[in-house]
Amino acid sequence: GEDVEQSLFLSVREGDSSVINCTYTDSSSTYLYWYKQEPGAGLQLLTYIFSNMDMKQDQRLTVLLNKKDKHLSLRIADTQTGDSAIYFCAESMDSSYKLIFGSGTRLLVRP
Amino acid sequence: EPEVTQTPSHQVTQMGQEVILRCVPISNHLYFYWYRQILGQKVEFLVSFYNNEISEKSEIFDDQFSVERPDGSNFTLKIRSTKLEDSAMYFCASSGTGGTEAFFGQGTRLTVV
Repeated sequence: GEDVEQSLFLSVREGDSSVINCTYTDSSSTYLYWYKQEPGAGLQLLTYIFSNMDMKQDQRLTVLLNKKDKHLSLRIADTQTGDSAIYFCAESMDSSYKLIFGSGTRLLVRP
Repeated sequence: EPEVTQTPSHQVTQMGQEVILRCVPISNHLYFYWYRQILGQKVEFLVSFYNNEISEKSEIFDDQFSVERPDGSNFTLKIRSTKLEDSAMYFCASSGTGGTEAFFGQGTRLTVV
């Protein structure tokens, strides 16, 4: 069945780059998303990539998609303390409206 | 910037009571969703709604749950006869097109005691 997996925790120093990884199982994924959740807050859509793309860049964010390996990554350049949050990877399929979420990666940015 | 708004932010209810969670989606969006996140667990899809009817629902969305769009702006989730295990954060989302760019509200934390 559909499954999305992420590592649970990442700690980086302020100013360094962060790379958050995600793997998914369903090859019919159409869109892949990154959402950010700050403590006590909702899910903020950061960016998404269509499955026929390899890369998408948006300011400090770079999304890389390896469709062969079903691997998605989010790179945050010049990570700031305000980037500390939980980052969720999610996928959707053409045949369905729902999003399948990973467990989330907690990013801690150390000053 | 348009946003999805949810009320209340926190609801405490007694087991067995009915609750209605309310959402105002982004005004020109056509697709509406409810998700839930039990503490420490994944965000789970409950239901999607389009053209005044349910388009998809998960196994979680049983007869205890119902959704409604009572007017042109609100989208509600009703949970009948709440159970302790219904305690979770419930998120409403909307999108302009199905399956893409879903924008989420801040969530309603439901606590069943």
